[in-house]
Amino acid sequence: QKEVEQDPGPLSVPEGAIVSLNCTYSNSAFQYFMWYRQYSRKGPELLMYTYSSGNKEDGRFTAQVDKSSKYISLFIRDSQPSDSATYLCAMNGQGGKLIFGQGTELSVKP
Amino acid sequence: NAGVMQNPRHLVRRRGQEARLRCSPMKGHSHVYWYRQLPEEGLKFMVYLQKENIIDESGMPKERFSAEFPKEGPSILRIQQVVRGDSAAYFCASSPDREWDTEAFFGQGTRLTVV
Repeated sequence: QKEVEQDPGPLSVPEGAIVSLNCTYSNSAFQYFMWYRQYSRKGPELLMYTYSSGNKEDGRFTAQVDKSSKYISLFIRDSQPSDSATYLCAMNGQGGKLIFGQGTELSVKP
Repeated sequence: NAGVMQNPRHLVRRRGQEARLRCSPMKGHSHVYWYRQLPEEGLKFMVYLQKENIIDESGMPKERFSAEFPKEGPSILRIQQVVRGDSAAYFCASSPDREWDTEAFFGQGTRLTVV
């Protein structure tokens, strides 16, 4: 069983839709939860990070963490074609390294 | 403030050759991490270095792969006697002087193709 599971998609939505991206994890020791966005043939860029359970909002993006269920989500409101990318969840492993999900490929159609 | 710089961006090697990938961290960052991304997969941790020290190499293959981060100059990921299975995107990330830092910044990657 992988430490972090993420549905690879692809996920296709119309412009303006609400997008929900999710990851599950198995290691209860994870404390920091990150979402990265990766455009094709580019490096990952950090979108949001949260510590422990709860919600965090930044513009059109909301990150949720439910530690009791070992489940994290990223919501994108009013999705735009420029949001088309691969979204990777990540969690802090031991000693500073990050444990990534497989990534979900998102396409927002105009 | 320049970001994490990786070079070359693309590297083609024949089987059996050596590949050297370079990573210059952001200014003021002394922690460097290397990750590998295979097609259709997420990033996999390889090695974590600080200046002149390997802190965690638990993700490095036991043979042919090595990494260094000298006192002066970039971090180097070296792959000897490359095989087709080494073809992947290799990303470097850096973070400031804290072991726990959630804001690691990634470079644009080096795409290695072994022919």
